[in-house]
Amino acid sequence: AQSVTQLGSHVSVSEGALVLLRCNYSSSVPPYLFWYVQYPNQGLQLLLKYTSAATLVKGINGFEAEFKKSETSFHLTKPSAHMSDAAEYFCAVSVHQGGKLIFGQGTELSVKP
Amino acid sequence: GAGVSQSPSNKVTEKGKDVELRCDPISGHTALYWYRQRLGQGLEFLIYFQGNSAPDKSGLPSDRFSAERTGESVSTLTIQRTQQEDSAVYLCASRPGLEREWDQETQYFGPGTRLLVL
Repeated sequence: AQSVTQLGSHVSVSEGALVLLRCNYSSSVPPYLFWYVQYPNQGLQLLLKYTSAATLVKGINGFEAEFKKSETSFHLTKPSAHMSDAAEYFCAVSVHQGGKLIFGQGTELSVKP
Repeated sequence: GAGVSQSPSNKVTEKGKDVELRCDPISGHTALYWYRQRLGQGLEFLIYFQGNSAPDKSGLPSDRFSAERTGESVSTLTIQRTQQEDSAVYLCASRPGLEREWDQETQYFGPGTRLLVL
């Protein structure tokens, strides 16, 4: 069965600091991997996705993630945090193109001035 | 263009009552999904519709939950005899078909319906 583990339910960084949100997955077949962001009282918005092309994926708002098969990881990074990045971030896996998503528990990112 | 819309945005009901939640997907999207997000938890898959294929109901938590979709348009999620543990945000997502080869994995989410069962 597929699963996703996000390490750290809450991460706090200072404005301008590196953002690193961790995601590890379990899948018996090559996965499709996603990061979604949820701002307060809003739906989920896709940040980026891995679909077996380049292992380093660039997304919106300066975020990127690297697929590392050997580590079964898909960590999300951003070089310099902005106050507007404060939100909840979800990592998700799908084993079929267009199939259901299995989500991690989410990581709430706080950005301190 | 218009995104996924859901109604109502908020619903308060009494334990034991039935509720219907509605989802209007993005026009032309062939696939539709329902997820549930309980407080402090991640999203749980409920059900998935793809064209005329039989829906994937593997995520429905009990037989009190059911969903229908009319063609490739509106979907309704029905919860019968609601329980307090059904309180959650119910999210709907839709996805393009194979004609959008570059985007056929991406699910687009609506704002959700926040359900509170008293």
